[in-house]
Amino acid sequence: KQEVTQIPAALSVPEGENLVLNCSFTDSAIYNLQWFRQDPGKGLTSLLLIQSSQREQTSGRLNASLDKSSGRSTLYIAASQPGDSATYLCAPTGGGNKLTFGTGTQLKVEL
Amino acid sequence: GAVVSQHPSRVICKSGTSVKIECRSLDFQATTMFWYRQFPKQSLMLMATSNEGSKATYEQGVEKDKFLINHASLTLSTLTVTSAHPEDSSFYICSARAPATNEKLFFGSGTQLSVL
Repeated sequence: KQEVTQIPAALSVPEGENLVLNCSFTDSAIYNLQWFRQDPGKGLTSLLLIQSSQREQTSGRLNASLDKSSGRSTLYIAASQPGDSATYLCAPTGGGNKLTFGTGTQLKVEL
Repeated sequence: GAVVSQHPSRVICKSGTSVKIECRSLDFQATTMFWYRQFPKQSLMLMATSNEGSKATYEQGVEKDKFLINHASLTLSTLTVTSAHPEDSSFYICSARAPATNEKLFFGSGTQLSVL
């Protein structure tokens, strides 16, 4: 059974800082891994998707890396802004096309 | 980008009543939709996979007679919580994969169910 852990559980940083969110998973037999953003009481927004054959994906200030063999992914956010405040979830896709979600990292970017 | 619409966003009901939640893919056809539930400060847990024109596949521990799923068309899946009880209070979210998006999953905005 896939288990996904995200560290840290919560993070508070001043505006402008670069930061790294970590995700680890126990079963490396994955098809891809997605990073999502969830605002309070809202659904999820897909940020980046990395295929199992890829090492990283970039979108604007976001960069996600994947090391499938070691069961790790990181989400790098450059020059953080207050609007980045949200909960960030990683979710590898495994057998049966099923996603397993981590418990998330709650990010707060302060002015 | 692909849009998944979920309705209602919030519902409060009395114990024993049934509640229907709709999930629509607005600009694409989704042969498969997924239903999740999320308790406060916990992650999303997959409840069931909804397949158009066939029976849903439920995850272990999810009562299929309690959570009825219907996927009658390529753009609509519904989740009905039957005879709701306070312990069913949760945040329910649907999702779907849009074609030609490299397997990305798009989510509805969620439904907060409160059973009194």
